[in-house]
Amino acid sequence: ETGVTQSPTHLIKTRGQQVTLRCSSQSGHNTVSWYQQALGQGPQFIFQYYREEENGRGNFPPRFSGLQFPNYSSELNVNALELDDSALYLCASSLRRPMNTEAFFGQGTRLTVV
Amino acid sequence: AQRVTQPEKLLSVFKGAPVELKCNYSYSGSPELFWYVQYSRQRLQLLLRHISRESIKGFTADLNKGETSFHLKKPFAQEEDSAMYYCALNWNQGGKLIFGQGTELSVKP
Repeated sequence: ETGVTQSPTHLIKTRGQQVTLRCSSQSGHNTVSWYQQALGQGPQFIFQYYREEENGRGNFPPRFSGLQFPNYSSELNVNALELDDSALYLCASSLRRPMNTEAFFGQGTRLTVV
Repeated sequence: AQRVTQPEKLLSVFKGAPVELKCNYSYSGSPELFWYVQYSRQRLQLLLRHISRESIKGFTADLNKGETSFHLKKPFAQEEDSAMYYCALNWNQGGKLIFGQGTELSVKP
């Protein structure tokens, strides 16, 4: 059984660019959630994907978008990057059957926007 | 609106002392609450959840609906307990977590 893996681990982008972050869910998990963790803050829920569809969204603008693939892996896309998007992005996977089981987190992707 | 508040950013205690990390929540429905822990250079991991009512690594937490609190307690702190602790609320029972700002616990020898 493999855990949640995220890539890349670190990334530097310029303001206005676009970025794609990737997440492989834990084996057997069908739900992926994304979180943004700014420095000194707790993780903030961005959105969740279940069965390849968005299943709930936090208070983030539409330039934050995502995908989930048939193998349950997921991508987070951020367009028109702003300096405030600099943060640690966390992916968590869980099994929905129908209630969600424990969420397992990846190690995160550290995004720096300059 | 749903919210989780951890009033202390840093809690420093000596080894063997009791520990209480505070968590208060605001939620209109029936809450499902968790404590997550992040040790140095490790990923965020679940410590305990209120519905299981179990004790993990000597930590316990009781949901008090009257005071809307879910404080984390341990009678005798150990140095290996030093970590960041996050209280989280399961929003809409769907596995979407609302986190507090976190409390850094430092246990001194």
